[in-house]
Amino acid sequence: GQQVMQIPQYQHVQEGEDFTTYCNSSTTLSNIQWYKQRPGGHPVFLIQLVKSGEVKKQKRLTFQFGEAKKNSSLHITATQTTDVGTYFCAVTYGGATNKLIFGTGTLLAVQP
Amino acid sequence: NAGVMQNPRHLVRRRGQEARLRCSPMKGHSHVYWYRQLPEEGLKFMVYLQKENIIDESGMPKERFSAEFPKEGPSILRIQQVVRGDSAAYFCASSPSGGAIKNIQYFGAGTRLSVL
Repeated sequence: GQQVMQIPQYQHVQEGEDFTTYCNSSTTLSNIQWYKQRPGGHPVFLIQLVKSGEVKKQKRLTFQFGEAKKNSSLHITATQTTDVGTYFCAVTYGGATNKLIFGTGTLLAVQP
Repeated sequence: NAGVMQNPRHLVRRRGQEARLRCSPMKGHSHVYWYRQLPEEGLKFMVYLQKENIIDESGMPKERFSAEFPKEGPSILRIQQVVRGDSAAYFCASSPSGGAIKNIQYFGAGTRLSVL
């Protein structure tokens, strides 16, 4: 079946350190999205990547889509306590359905 | 603009009872999706609906679960004869139709279902 692996499962950093989470698919993706979920909250859309090799930035967050469109990364520079939460990648494989297949998520803990 | 509205936020049911979860999509959105999140796990797709049509129910359990999105009113996820394993957060998402942005889904706050 369609699977999206995400690593690491958990990351604990000191405030100010950088953080990266990686998402990998065994098949080519039509696009990839990233969501953030705070503890007890709901997924919040961050960004969508569509083009091969695409790089997008949102303040301290940098998103990359691999050249082969099979992997992606989210990098946070100089983490803050407000960055705490679980980061999910989510993919669609095209076709008639727009269903999202979510990665396993990376839980980020930031120690002040 | 109101976001995706889900109610109730919390629902407690005893084993064997029925649970009805409601979702009103964002204004202008005609696509609705339901996802389930078990404790300490990721989100799993359940069903994708457009007005009056089920487009993809590949993630829906074959028994006890049903979903609808009528012409008027919210989308309903119905779980009959709930069991303890149904305890989870159920999220609804909506998206606009057409164009490059059609894949972007906006999530509601979820319904936390607890089965006693």
